[in-house]
Amino acid sequence: DAGITQSPRHKVTETGTPVTLRCHQTENHRYMYWYRQDPGHGLRLIHYSYGVKDTDKGEVSDGYSVSRSKTEDFLLTLESATSSQTSVYFCAISETPDMNEQYFGPGTRLTVT
Amino acid sequence: GQNIDQPTEMTATEGAIVQINCTYQTSGFNGLFWYQQHAGEAPTFLSYNVLDGLEEKGRFSSFLSRSKGYSYLLLKELQMKDSASYLCAVRPPEGGKLIFGQGTELSVKP
Repeated sequence: DAGITQSPRHKVTETGTPVTLRCHQTENHRYMYWYRQDPGHGLRLIHYSYGVKDTDKGEVSDGYSVSRSKTEDFLLTLESATSSQTSVYFCAISETPDMNEQYFGPGTRLTVT
Repeated sequence: GQNIDQPTEMTATEGAIVQINCTYQTSGFNGLFWYQQHAGEAPTFLSYNVLDGLEEKGRFSSFLSRSKGYSYLLLKELQMKDSASYLCAVRPPEGGKLIFGQGTELSVKP
């Protein structure tokens, strides 16, 4: 299994509070991705990174920001959490953009009350 | 625009064969992926097609027709452990990010 961890694995927070999710990899892969998964929508890309300090938006980036100061860490921040951001968040990595698969982390279940 | 369609649910019998279809309409194409996801777990890679035709890997096979925007995942000799969600995803030409369908929930019955 690819070395990807996510923290925390579960979190309950209140509307309006900031939340940061962490993705950590030990594979030295250049590309990292944050997805959210909701019933009826499948996996949707929030943001991705193609190198240290290089990030770009995905299809559902509103309300989220990311940072990547080291190859191994990719942080996802909800500046002011809303109930619509209740979801399961998955981090993924790939060595190249044309790599034949992405490896996914175990996921973080976030509940915003 | 991007649109990927899969059936929401399917049911099949242990030992049988099941075909899960995926149709896509995307602005460009650079590969189609199938992932398996058990409840409460992360998606895991099953197969990848970039050229037309059939790719076989053990009990699982995946087919692609680029002209028709169509793929299917074929699961043979179904086992109870194959009960899972199967995700179809397309990679756009610029590479990297994947665009996922909503997934097909497969239930295998004894």
